[in-house]
Amino acid sequence: GNSVTQMEGPVTLSEEAFLTINCTYTATGYPSLFWYVQYPGEGLQLLLKATKADDKGSNKGFEATYRKETTSFHLEKGSVQVSDSAVYFCALIADSNYQLIWGAGTKLIIKP
Amino acid sequence: KAGVTQTPRYLIKTRGQQVTLSCSPISGHRSVSWYQQTPGQGLQFLFEYFSETQRNKGNFPGRFSGRQFSNSRSEMNVSTLELGDSALYLCASSLGSSGTYNEQFFGPGTRLTVL
Repeated sequence: GNSVTQMEGPVTLSEEAFLTINCTYTATGYPSLFWYVQYPGEGLQLLLKATKADDKGSNKGFEATYRKETTSFHLEKGSVQVSDSAVYFCALIADSNYQLIWGAGTKLIIKP
Repeated sequence: KAGVTQTPRYLIKTRGQQVTLSCSPISGHRSVSWYQQTPGQGLQFLFEYFSETQRNKGNFPGRFSGRQFSNSRSEMNVSTLELGDSALYLCASSLGSSGTYNEQFFGPGTRLTVL
């Protein structure tokens, strides 16, 4: 079946460090891929998405490239800030129901 | 434009009771989806309502039910509460057009604690 695997957290970094959160997927066909972010006490927000192979999604300094050959959609940011502390979820849509399949989430902690 | 609102934000119940959670979608959105979020199971899809009809359903027991009203507001009900129902319940609204993905906008959630 369809599934998403994310690196386990928490990931702890210092401010201005480079961030990578790994995400790999298993899906039939050609899924669309998403990164959502959940700030403390808030609901989920769509951070970025990519709908076909080699697409790069980007927003707020975050980027992720849809790699079909490695079935990956790793999230990166060149210089993290304390305000980026949150839980990040990788997700996909792979069928005609358009239901999101979620990864387990990765908690990111940025220290000043 | 107001976002998705959920009430109440926090709820404490005891085993065996029932609970009703409410979700008001973004104006103009006709689809409402419900999710359960727990540390152990992560995010799990409960059901989706569109135009007052359940359009999709996740793999949850019949104790979990929902409905949608003509103004697109939705309620979720859990009967005979169990300790394992303690979770953050998230509601998401979208335009709901069929045949394509519609971006979902999430509310802040209702934190349910079952004692």
